[in-house]
Amino acid sequence: EVQLLESGGGLVQPGGSLRLSCAASGFTFSSYAMSWVRQAPGEGLEWVSAISDSGGRTYYADSVKGRFTISRDNSKNTLYLQMNGLRAEDTAVYYCAKSESSTSCYSWGQGTLVTVSS
Amino acid sequence: QSVLTQPPSASGTPGQRVTISCSGSNSNIGSNTVNWYQQLPGTAPKLLIYSNKQRPSGVPDRFSGSKSGTSASLAISGLQSEDEGDYYCAAWDGSLNGFYVFGTGTKVTVL
Repeated sequence: EVQLLESGGGLVQPGGSLRLSCAASGFTFSSYAMSWVRQAPGEGLEWVSAISDSGGRTYYADSVKGRFTISRDNSKNTLYLQMNGLRAEDTAVYYCAKSESSTSCYSWGQGTLVTVSS
Repeated sequence: QSVLTQPPSASGTPGQRVTISCSGSNSNIGSNTVNWYQQLPGTAPKLLIYSNKQRPSGVPDRFSGSKSGTSASLAISGLQSEDEGDYYCAAWDGSLNGFYVFGTGTKVTVL
């Protein structure tokens, strides 16, 4: 069974940094692309970033480009999202998602809440 | 970056059929397959339909998807109270460096 467990969320001041982690189990992590998706309180889903199975290719939403960095450690079955220069509008639940074949975000974790506030 | 356009709400009585539309462009729906997600209150999103019309294991056949040109639709037949929640379409967009784009979301209410 695919399991994705996000961690690292919390309260951070504007301009601060945070690193999210997503521990994966139940599948061969190194064979699948992964993504981060966020949802601000009361709002819809927003794709944030994606990374290929090897980590060689990365993709970002314009809203986070230059501030967020996606990475993965296939030896640890873990996906990361380094978030710098955080803004109030980055406040959201951040979900980790696994791709399947050509389908992005096939399986989802339960999410971790990031709150950016002074 | 663009978004896919959905109606903000849809509703029906138990047993009715409800349809949700999703409008995009040539760079996303027109060029790539469409996925649909269901998000029940207080829970994480769940994949409902992938590759335009395929259902993951465990998804009832009451849910069906279709695509034509730059638009897609999700139909819920035999609406049930447990179907009440938010529904999102999504597709990969090949413009710029490439990105995944979600629809604006549709809240389904069972009357």
